[in-house]
Amino acid sequence: DSGVTQTPKHLITATGQRVTLRCSPRSGDLSVYWYQQSLDQGLQFLIQYYNGEERAKGNILERFSAQQFPDLHSELNLSSLELGDSALYFCASSMGLADRTYEQYFGPGTRLTVT
Amino acid sequence: ILNVEQSPQSLHVQEGDSTNFTCSFPSSNFYALHWYRWETAKSPEALFVMTLNGDEKKKGRISATLNTKEGYSYLYIKGSQPEDSATYLCAFRAGGTSYGKLTFGQGTILTVHP
Repeated sequence: DSGVTQTPKHLITATGQRVTLRCSPRSGDLSVYWYQQSLDQGLQFLIQYYNGEERAKGNILERFSAQQFPDLHSELNLSSLELGDSALYFCASSMGLADRTYEQYFGPGTRLTVT
Repeated sequence: ILNVEQSPQSLHVQEGDSTNFTCSFPSSNFYALHWYRWETAKSPEALFVMTLNGDEKKKGRISATLNTKEGYSYLYIKGSQPEDSATYLCAFRAGGTSYGKLTFGQGTILTVHP
């Protein structure tokens, strides 16, 4: 158990809908990361938040947005869902912003299925 | 676009065999290299973070080496056990304003047969 929690574990929804994925980082961690694992691709970085502020962005679609709240939990919002958005979404956390030796600890993931 | 490649894609070994696999990454703007073990239906588990050229890290029967000048890292497993069966991922961190962004390879799937 990494200490990172994600809810829900599974989500099935229809095209065009909007969903929110939630992540709580390990106690003491200020950075939260979101990654997407699709069937045909490896783990892809989406976005990083540090202490409430967006700090790094990957190839995140405009239909996707995220935020980190004062209690450090984070939410990833996916809207106008398409079949291709079906994937495993991981949240990870680490203590610092860019500390070289800090590991990123991954949560159990949310499996999103868009039908 | 950063290219992180792992080889082989998959590997089948017998219990007790020692094995190794490779991660290749850009040799410029290196900041750190991460190794993870990912078992089916679980989340990726951090193994090592490597930062200096020539680094060697060890955890039990698993060890890793790093060559930042030529852009590769090796992961070794000594005396493989069935419980070592998993996907092994490496991830590259670039310097600059990438902050914590990890660029992952596609992974090496290891199956250890009893």
